[in-house]
Amino acid sequence: DTGVSQDPRHKITKRGQNVTFRCDPISEHNRLYWYRQTLGQGPEFLTYFQNEAQLEKSRLLSDRFSAERPKGSFSTLEIQRTEQGDSAMYLCASSLTLGDRGQETQYFGPGTRLLVL
Amino acid sequence: AQKITQTQPGMFVQEKEAVTLDCTYDTSDQSYGLFWYKQPSSGEMIFLIYQGSYDEQNATEGRYSLNFQKARKSANLVISASQLGDSAMYFCAMREVDRGSTLGRLYFGRGTQLTVWP
Repeated sequence: DTGVSQDPRHKITKRGQNVTFRCDPISEHNRLYWYRQTLGQGPEFLTYFQNEAQLEKSRLLSDRFSAERPKGSFSTLEIQRTEQGDSAMYLCASSLTLGDRGQETQYFGPGTRLLVL
Repeated sequence: AQKITQTQPGMFVQEKEAVTLDCTYDTSDQSYGLFWYKQPSSGEMIFLIYQGSYDEQNATEGRYSLNFQKARKSANLVISASQLGDSAMYFCAMREVDRGSTLGRLYFGRGTQLTVWP
């Protein structure tokens, strides 16, 4: 399978605990995105990387959230001191951009469902 | 203001019939891209079709076509010959390009739940 993979697929945690999610993009893709999707809503952008560089962060990404892509391959998203409002699906996507204005399609992984009790 | 508006929370269509899912968008950019994704109950977002703002012809991909009306800022998805497996949530999304190629985020609508019945 050469698609985007995410681990774990499901996570239940207690309020106040830290959690970390992993995303492995399609191997030749240089961009990696994180989105959050709550029930009944479309995905909302959190942050993205081009290679190792984090190029954009949404204001949704509070200080409790941190994302890394240390070697330009896989990425991790950590949430510290989780709150019940963090319960959501966390989606990762990857794309290949050549720096032009053409089509850049983001391919999504299966997501990680987080439930904070 | 919402960048993407999908006004149909749910749509029903009989198998083998065509269905149109509505999407309007809001941007001041001249260059942008429009996407449709399908999300089955399993949760994964599946890319369906893309339309660039400068594309003169409507995009088509198999049974999917995009009815792009630039002046009205609409990008409706048409699914022909619906199948039971088409039952899913469908999202319209937009990427703005004018402000630089480093701008990568997609803006999504709230989605339309499509149910195909036999």
